[in-house]
Amino acid sequence: QSVLTQPPSASGTPGQRVTISCSGSSSNIGSNAVNWYQQLPGAAPKLLIYSNNQRPSGVPDRFSGSKSGTSASLAISGLQSEDEADYYCAAWDDSLNGGVFGGGTKLTVL
Amino acid sequence: EVQLVESGGGLVQPGGSLRLSCSASGFTFSSYAMHWVRQAPGKGLEYVSAISSNGGSTYYADSVKGRFIISRDNSKNTLYFQMSSLRAEDTAVYYCVKVPFVNYGSGSYYDYWGQGTLVTVSS
Repeated sequence: QSVLTQPPSASGTPGQRVTISCSGSSSNIGSNAVNWYQQLPGAAPKLLIYSNNQRPSGVPDRFSGSKSGTSASLAISGLQSEDEADYYCAAWDDSLNGGVFGGGTKLTVL
Repeated sequence: EVQLVESGGGLVQPGGSLRLSCSASGFTFSSYAMHWVRQAPGKGLEYVSAISSNGGSTYYADSVKGRFIISRDNSKNTLYFQMSSLRAEDTAVYYCVKVPFVNYGSGSYYDYWGQGTLVTVSS
């Protein structure tokens, strides 16, 4: 059971906008920044969003992140077939004094 | 170009030991904290261990505390993970991960990942 809660799956058609939620608590998302990682099939994870809503260079602006209270969201607009991947949220947990991940959301582009 | 290359994975019997290495290049290794993150087959990511840039601070998840030791040799640009008393539940791909700060903790995120090395614990 992951400390951060994500839906196991999400889907959309090309061009659509999809959102993936990440729910936590006051000790993690409520008091620390949220980061998102994308894991393409058979590959290592890659940083997608850091510090709630910042994109590393090279990440398209179709990807955006937000945080409110103890929840966060990743939005993908203009969905493309190459966005089909697993997406993980992560944050520091002050009670555990360690990093925590969500269980991951498998995004399918129909 | 930042590169993190793990090695040392393989098949080991329960109760056995293994040492993973991560060779870093393309950045000033001694200036950044490093982590190990693992992923069991078909499962999600698990934060396992971390070490500060100078090796003075370390962190272990409860699942590996007392059995695994993280260390680094900044003169060789290499991160290590000594794994002992291995269990079946330690079977996973182990990723070497870089943090863009001198220490781990609140605010940390992983800006570069290695390709991973598979550790299989089985008799």
